[in-house]
Amino acid sequence: NAGVTQTPKFRILKIGQSMTLQCAQDMNHNYMYWYRQDPGMGLKLIYYSVGAGITDKGEVPNGYNVSRSTTEDFPLRLELAAPSQTSVYFCASSYEGGSNQPQHFGDGTRLSIL
Amino acid sequence: QKEVEQNSGPLSVPEGAIASLNCTYSDRGSQSFFWYRQYSGKSPELIMFIYSNGDKEDGRFTAQLNKASQYVSLLIRDSQPSDSATYLCAVRRSGANNLFFGTGTRLTVIP
Repeated sequence: NAGVTQTPKFRILKIGQSMTLQCAQDMNHNYMYWYRQDPGMGLKLIYYSVGAGITDKGEVPNGYNVSRSTTEDFPLRLELAAPSQTSVYFCASSYEGGSNQPQHFGDGTRLSIL
Repeated sequence: QKEVEQNSGPLSVPEGAIASLNCTYSDRGSQSFFWYRQYSGKSPELIMFIYSNGDKEDGRFTAQLNKASQYVSLLIRDSQPSDSATYLCAVRRSGANNLFFGTGTRLTVIP
């Protein structure tokens, strides 16, 4: 059972380039999330989804886009990469959003914008 | 005021001692509280969660919740060097689908 799988693990982008961070889960979870974690900081929610076809903004959505065409996949798109988007990106999933539902995290994508 | 606040540490304890990690939150309507452990360069992994006032024990870990004081803590008994990590407190507010994370407390257990 793979859990939450993120690709790529590392990436270096030039300013202004675009890319898609991939996230897939095989636990049949309805809820999926994208977080970013800057050095020495906690996780900030970028976008989340409560099911296929439904997405919503989190705390820091500017500069990002998401889609959720299937239950399994939740890609994060960066358009016009900026140095401020240098961070570690974590995808997470949970069965639902209820109070006692923990979130399971992928291994992260380390992204540098130069 | 931050949603979730933690002492960033670092917190150092000798092997075998009790480590006490603290977290306060601002939204009185918050319903559930999670502790994650994050090793350097790794992803957060869930240690335990609590949503009722009082204590919840799981092995060497005890979570304590006091909703009146808006305070949640994690105690690690018989601390081991392998417990050295950053511990993240996360809170789910009432009606929210996401978690709000603190900045984490870095714990070092000295052999």
